[in-house]
Amino acid sequence: DFQMTQSPSSLSASVGDRVTITCRASQGIFNYLAWYQQKPGNIPKLLIYAASTLQSGVPSRFSGSGSGTDFTLTISSLQPEDAATYYCQRYVSAPATFGGGTKVEIK
Amino acid sequence: EMQLVESGGGLVQPGRSLRLSCVASGFTFDDYAMHWVRQAPGKGLEWVSSISWNGNTIAYADSVRGRFFISRDNAKNSLYLQMNSLRAEDTALYSCAKARQLIYDGLHVWGQGTMVTVSS
Repeated sequence: DFQMTQSPSSLSASVGDRVTITCRASQGIFNYLAWYQQKPGNIPKLLIYAASTLQSGVPSRFSGSGSGTDFTLTISSLQPEDAATYYCQRYVSAPATFGGGTKVEIK
Repeated sequence: EMQLVESGGGLVQPGRSLRLSCVASGFTFDDYAMHWVRQAPGKGLEWVSSISWNGNTIAYADSVRGRFFISRDNAKNSLYLQMNSLRAEDTALYSCAKARQLIYDGLHVWGQGTMVTVSS
């Protein structure tokens, strides 16, 4: 089985807060993990690949870490435009399973 | 600018078939692996299938294996998803996406999607 478990499923934080989302893989995936941001009504946007490499154009307040089975996405200082649902995805091999998503709301 | 445009969605009865298409532009299509990802209304992302640049390596999610078939025509810069024996649970927005470099990689270019509704 190739499950990706995200937590929390939702969170509410204030502008300027540090926000951390976790993603756990059911089997080790080295660093073959991506993070996506999806705003309502929009297509997903790749934020991070290889667990910690920022995709071109993504603000530096986003960062990723982890390897093996445990990963984190951190937003160092939450901004209003960061309200979205965030997904992790394993891609070490098929199936390239997504996590269930974490909805981030702004207080 | 890299762009992906899907088509072929619609309302279809359970058990019937549908073929989705995705036309790519702005990059050398036959250099890259491609994926299909779907999202049921109000739900999360679900990876569906992938195909290597030359079509030799193909993979499917368990939920669609044996019913869905991915293919590509590099001469037409096109990706396809043949969907057979459709079920109500296949109702979703289907998007094609380009892998960054490797067949399994971050998906950095996405189409807007085409909606498939399976209902009698």
